[in-house]
Amino acid sequence: DAKTTQPNSMESNEEEPVHLPCNHSTISGTDYIHWYRQLPSQGPEYVIHGLTSNVNNRMASLAIAEDRKSSTLILHRATLRDAAVYYCILREGAQKLVFGQGTRLTINP
Amino acid sequence: EAGVAQSPRYKIIEKRQSVAFWCNPISGHATLYWYQQILGQGPKLLIQFQNNGVVDDSQLPKDRFSAERLKGVDSTLKIQPAKLEDSAVYLCASSLEGGWNTEAFFGQGTRLTVV
Repeated sequence: DAKTTQPNSMESNEEEPVHLPCNHSTISGTDYIHWYRQLPSQGPEYVIHGLTSNVNNRMASLAIAEDRKSSTLILHRATLRDAAVYYCILREGAQKLVFGQGTRLTINP
Repeated sequence: EAGVAQSPRYKIIEKRQSVAFWCNPISGHATLYWYQQILGQGPKLLIQFQNNGVVDDSQLPKDRFSAERLKGVDSTLKIQPAKLEDSAVYLCASSLEGGWNTEAFFGQGTRLTVV
């Protein structure tokens, strides 16, 4: 399985943008980059995914480096409700959805 | 749209006992996953079904864990006999298909405590 590297934890302030990095230097050409997050005491929920181009949806934006070896999940205006563990996942053609340790995001009021 | 339903929400058993978890995926979803999440870790994939066939069960401890998905809809995960290290949250997820371009929807999980 392709590997991703994320910081263990990050902290930000409410109503400020948050940039969550992910390194995936061994990514292959057919790997999609998926982001999920897990709020306390809940199952993970889908946030966004992309292949090569930057992507936007109502929850976040995904910026993908030109060489695809890294990506950044952007929360444009963090709220307290965004405090969660964020997982960056490479989804292979084998269809597995493999989670790593993720980044624990703390939002300060 | 109804989400992924799991039951029970909580279960406490003694070691060496048996336990079963039930999952009802979102209607029409062909792919179903079972994950184990130990406290402080990311979810670990135990088994993945495509309809009622197993796609991947390489991480399933087959000496004590079993799973089935009859008729390609509901699924049950069983542990027999349970060990202390099986204490974890067991998450079920489903997706329309298993491809890399689809999102998975997760249930709230079953928290198992083995004492």
